[in-house]
Amino acid sequence: DAGITQSPRHKVTETGTPVTLRCHQTENHRYMYWYRQDPGHGLRLIHYSYGVKDTDKGEVSDGYSVSRSKTEDFLLTLESATSSQTSVYFCAISRLGSQETQYFGPGTRLLVL
Amino acid sequence: GNSVTQMEGPVTLSEEAFLTINCTYTATGYPSLFWYVQYPGEGLQLLLKATKADDKGSNKGFEATYRKETTSFHLEKGSVQVSDSAVYFCALSDSGGGADGLTFGKGTHLIIQP
Repeated sequence: DAGITQSPRHKVTETGTPVTLRCHQTENHRYMYWYRQDPGHGLRLIHYSYGVKDTDKGEVSDGYSVSRSKTEDFLLTLESATSSQTSVYFCAISRLGSQETQYFGPGTRLLVL
Repeated sequence: GNSVTQMEGPVTLSEEAFLTINCTYTATGYPSLFWYVQYPGEGLQLLLKATKADDKGSNKGFEATYRKETTSFHLEKGSVQVSDSAVYFCALSDSGGGADGLTFGKGTHLIIQP
């Protein structure tokens, strides 16, 4: 258990509305990640963070922004949600000294109508 | 770029059967390799990993050997149980000790029948 929680766990929203998903960790890990999971695609990296205020883009970052103002929280924002962003979103962390190994949160299921 | 290819399934087996899920990869460097498992409605759990060629990862009766010559990391288990029913993901990390994201295969849905 890597002490990761995600909120909300489920959300239904309408096209064009802003949405923010939260990832919270309790173990002071430096590295945090956001992925989306879609049928036929596996998991794809959206954004990641290697420290407070230090973030970078992943493979599918268009339409998403992130912020990390505290070590324990990594926020994913959909500025104007679209139906193509309907997905399951997973947060992950990795530990200093074993950065290549990632541990995942329980996921947030997002439906954009 | 990096990529991971695995059979998508579903793979259906009877209880106590031998399991192999194939995974091959393409990477520019010397990646670390992983198998993750996802049970229904849950997040991904790390099942096993290998960080260099010829390493064998093992956990809960599952094994996988890092084969650099065939760029493969096939998952095996000698006798599967109904509780092994899940989606299995092969993944790689090619960050050379850094903290870039993982590259995942599309997942293999495994169904074990009693």
